[in-house]
Amino acid sequence: AQRVTQPEKLLSVFKGAPVELKCNYSYSGSPELFWYVQYSRQRLQLLLRHISRESIKGFTADLNKGETSFHLKKPFAQEEDSAMYYCALKDNTGKLIFGQGTTLQVKP
Amino acid sequence: NAGVTQTPKFQVLKTGQSMTLQCAQDMNHEYMSWYRQDPGMGLRLIHYSVGAGITDQGEVPNGYNVSRSTTEDFPLRLLSAAPSQTSVYFCASSYGGLAFFGQGTRLTVV
Repeated sequence: AQRVTQPEKLLSVFKGAPVELKCNYSYSGSPELFWYVQYSRQRLQLLLRHISRESIKGFTADLNKGETSFHLKKPFAQEEDSAMYYCALKDNTGKLIFGQGTTLQVKP
Repeated sequence: NAGVTQTPKFQVLKTGQSMTLQCAQDMNHEYMSWYRQDPGMGLRLIHYSVGAGITDQGEVPNGYNVSRSTTEDFPLRLLSAAPSQTSVYFCASSYGGLAFFGQGTRLTVV
């Protein structure tokens, strides 16, 4: 069964500390993975996708097929990074399957 | 471009009442979907559509109906509201996994 798991409900770090939001998936095919972010009082929006292999707002994510993971990382967290982050997998029908979400809290 | 427009923003219903959440997109996307967002459960897919005239069930379809008569519109109907349907609802339209979300509807069923 296809599934996305984000094991941490809440991740709390101090400003300037490194951040890693974990995402594991289970999917029988070749996965397409995404990170979406929801800032307070804003719409859910795309942060990055694995096929573009880019860094957005200092965040990167590498697909590790061996560990079936797509962890989101940032070397130095900023207060404006505080938000809810969702990992998502697109299956071969086009459906986006989301994880449970992780709230990132960056303390001053 | 407006993107995805979802209405209403807030709604309170009594148990047993019915209502329709509206969703419209102007990006000509074939794929549209409805999710509910609950604490600790993430975003769960209710129904989705791969094009006008085609709809299918997601993970949690019970108690909800959808239709897709045009590419632009994808309304979600609650047939007989129950307290378990208290949630935040999001409509999305997408292309190639790139999803654009509405602003959400916070629904409370009392």
